[in-house]
Amino acid sequence: GQQVMQIPQYQHVQEGEDFTTYCNSSTTLSNIQWYKQRPGGHPVFLIQLVKSGEVKKQKRLTFQFGEAKKNSSLHITATQTTDVGTYFCAGPYTGGFKTIFGAGTRLFVKA
Amino acid sequence: EADIYQTPRYLVIGTGKKITLECSQTMGHDKMYWYQQDPGMELHLIHYSYGVNSTEKGDLSSESTVSRIRTEHFPLTLESARPSHTSQYLCASSESGWMWTDQETQYFGPGTRLLVL
Repeated sequence: GQQVMQIPQYQHVQEGEDFTTYCNSSTTLSNIQWYKQRPGGHPVFLIQLVKSGEVKKQKRLTFQFGEAKKNSSLHITATQTTDVGTYFCAGPYTGGFKTIFGAGTRLFVKA
Repeated sequence: EADIYQTPRYLVIGTGKKITLECSQTMGHDKMYWYQQDPGMELHLIHYSYGVNSTEKGDLSSESTVSRIRTEHFPLTLESARPSHTSQYLCASSESGWMWTDQETQYFGPGTRLLVL
């Protein structure tokens, strides 16, 4: 079945270091979304990418959508302790109506 | 912040009890979802609905049932709770896109943390 895979599963960084999580889909996606879930919280929408090769920035966060629209990445520059949490990518199910979430990358930031 | 609510926020219950987790949204969204998630782990879709009187089972086999009698309300019921049901249950909603394959932003509720003894 359709899958969205994320790596790494976990990442420990020192505050100030950069961080990247990668998302790969088994199918071509019409769009991809990214969510952040703080510890003890619920997922919160960050961004949606639609165009092939699209790059979007939100302050220290840079999101990319691959040319083939099958992969995406989230890069955080100079991590801060407030970046701690789990980052999920998500793509639309080709059969419609629902969303396929990646397993998430859990980011730990040491001060 | 989105207007989607879940009650109770925390629930401790004995094995065999029937429970209903409530979820309501005031955004008029057609699509609603239930996810099961262990802390910091993967989201597992257990039920979804794309409108009143329409419900579908998700990817994770679940012994729960749902109903969608009103647009704003999407309760989840466990007829007989078991320790294996201990988890966090997240409700979400989204608009319907122009195309049935569209993926709209999902707004999540705060979740219900369930502990079955």
